[in-house]
Amino acid sequence: SQQGEEDPQALSIQEGENATMNCSYKTSINNLQWYRQNSGRGLVHLILIRSNEREKHSGRLRVTLDTSKKSSSLLITASRAADTASYFCATGQAGTALIFGKGTTLSVSS
Amino acid sequence: GAGVSQSPSNKVTEKGKDVELRCDPISGHTALYWYRQRLGQGLEFLIYFQGNSAPDKSGLPSDRFSAERTGESVSTLTIQRTQQEDSAVYLCASSLPLAGGREQYFGPGTRLTVT
Repeated sequence: SQQGEEDPQALSIQEGENATMNCSYKTSINNLQWYRQNSGRGLVHLILIRSNEREKHSGRLRVTLDTSKKSSSLLITASRAADTASYFCATGQAGTALIFGKGTTLSVSS
Repeated sequence: GAGVSQSPSNKVTEKGKDVELRCDPISGHTALYWYRQRLGQGLEFLIYFQGNSAPDKSGLPSDRFSAERTGESVSTLTIQRTQQEDSAVYLCASSLPLAGGREQYFGPGTRLTVT
């Protein structure tokens, strides 16, 4: 069963705008990760945030984690056409494999 | 070093045939995972291997699906008597030893089409 649920399912923006995607999950976690997928093939790891962290940055990416609300957000600032992809959150728990959400499809038009 | 590789990249098979998908993980990665992704959907966990421990097969959808791994290297996912609903991209990933979830490195996937 899905642990993470991304919101929105699809997002369309213009280049230069910021894109925000949200992820909610159900059970306690050790960490939460965000992945990107182009054209339905292999996923690429973007960022990992641990359960005792609240915010993390990597380049134009900012991830927040609120364990009390069991939610996370991924912000992509100053988006580019090349950011067009599907973005997935995944939760890590002790002793289990990552559990992925259904993803948000981001379209950035120039 | 080399990333995760998968073969074949595409496979078209007739309904009822058996198929074997291969995954070569990153050297030194003791954890290996198989996922299925249907068109426009998220990743569906199938199975994971962690070192010499018994694999977690809880995600395998039916007894037609099986997977093996030789030590800490190559893994094969076998689907017997394929059905049209098996059509999907099968993704393999590997990671360092599982300890509450680690960054996973994905292969490019095998696109399976059952006609």
